[in-house]
Amino acid sequence: GENVEQHPSTLSVQEGDSAVIKCTYSDSASNYFPWYKQELGKGPQLIIDIRSNVGEKKDQRIAVTLNKTAKHFSLHITETQPEDSAVYFCAASSPGNQFYFGTGTSLTVIP
Amino acid sequence: DAGVIQSPRHEVTEMGQEVTLRCKPISGHNSLFWYRQTMMRGLELLIYFNNNVPIDDSGMPEDRFSAKMPNASFSTLKIQPSEPRDSAVYFCASSGSYTSQPQHFGDGTRLSIL
Repeated sequence: GENVEQHPSTLSVQEGDSAVIKCTYSDSASNYFPWYKQELGKGPQLIIDIRSNVGEKKDQRIAVTLNKTAKHFSLHITETQPEDSAVYFCAASSPGNQFYFGTGTSLTVIP
Repeated sequence: DAGVIQSPRHEVTEMGQEVTLRCKPISGHNSLFWYRQTMMRGLELLIYFNNNVPIDDSGMPEDRFSAKMPNASFSTLKIQPSEPRDSAVYFCASSGSYTSQPQHFGDGTRLSIL
């Protein structure tokens, strides 16, 4: 089955700096890659996703890049704000298969 | 739009008791997922349904766990008998498809077994 690895497990940045979280996957058939943000006491919330026919996608301060050859994808958050502090999860899914989640990155934005 | 609704939000019970967790998926979604989250094991998929039919229950840890989806708007996850190691946050998610489509999560049930 699919194996998704996520790094780093914890990340601290100063407010206004950028944050980057990286994930690798093993199944070359994976074609859908969502990113989730989980705040304390809440369920994971989808923040952005990308499909394998696209190399990059942006939504305001958030962007995701995908390198199919290297089988890795990354989440980029620019101009970080304290409310960006949360746990972020990546996931990968191939046709006919479930989501496989990474182990999460705890992001702290220091005011 | 109403999101995925889970109840109860918190449950504290004694070992050996039966526990029932409930989930109402987003209207129109035909796939439903039950996850368990712990610090040690992260997010684990327990079981998922497509059109009310269980597709894969290989993540259900033991026979003490069972899940049903009697109709498109309701699902239950039952633990009987419960054990302290079942303590975790249980999430329900729904999606338009069981594969390659966004899953939308509820806010979970925090379960504590004493």
